[in-house]
Amino acid sequence: NAGVTQTPKFRVLKTGQSMTLLCAQDMNHEYMYWYRQDPGMGLRLIHYSVGEGTTAKGEVPDGYNVSRLKKQNFLLGLESAAPSQTSVYFCASRRTSGRNEQYFGPGTRLTVT
Amino acid sequence: DQQVKQNSPSLSVQEGRISILNCDYTNSMFDYFLWYKKYPAEGPTFLISISSIKDKNEDGRFTVFLNKSAKHLSLHIVPSQPGDSAVYFCAARATYSGAGSYQLTFGKGTKLSVIP
Repeated sequence: NAGVTQTPKFRVLKTGQSMTLLCAQDMNHEYMYWYRQDPGMGLRLIHYSVGEGTTAKGEVPDGYNVSRLKKQNFLLGLESAAPSQTSVYFCASRRTSGRNEQYFGPGTRLTVT
Repeated sequence: DQQVKQNSPSLSVQEGRISILNCDYTNSMFDYFLWYKKYPAEGPTFLISISSIKDKNEDGRFTVFLNKSAKHLSLHIVPSQPGDSAVYFCAARATYSGAGSYQLTFGKGTKLSVIP
């Protein structure tokens, strides 16, 4: 049981390049989330999904797109990277009922130059 | 508008003593609160939670206290150990508020350093 995994762990992009971050969970969780963490800013929600085929905007969605084609995977896309998107990105997942805690992946450190 | 506030960016405590981390919130719809712990280069891990129907929840060395009237919660770690050195995030959820029920709102975190 790997929990929540994220690919890649590190990436450097040039301004204007695109990339996709992959999140996978093997806990059969319905809900999945993408956050970014910046120094002094805590965790801010980018997008989330409450089930396969559904997505919704969080607090800071601009510049990002997401897709949830399979229940276990949640993809975060940057179509045209900007230096302001330099951050550490965390994926999380959660069950629909019972305890409310989200389980987090190890993070992806992205630098946009 | 910051709905969950952790006003102390850092805290240093001697090993064996009590660590008290504080969190304030402004949204009266929040009814479930969680604490997460984060080590460098790792994702946050769940530590302890409390529902608004309680004012205290204990799990080993960790206790969370909730004061609803003051919209304040605190995490107590007794006794503090060097391995507790990490960033601690307070998070809140509004269980019955539509889209808000799916989301957690996080504070900015408090970096705890436990000195041997």
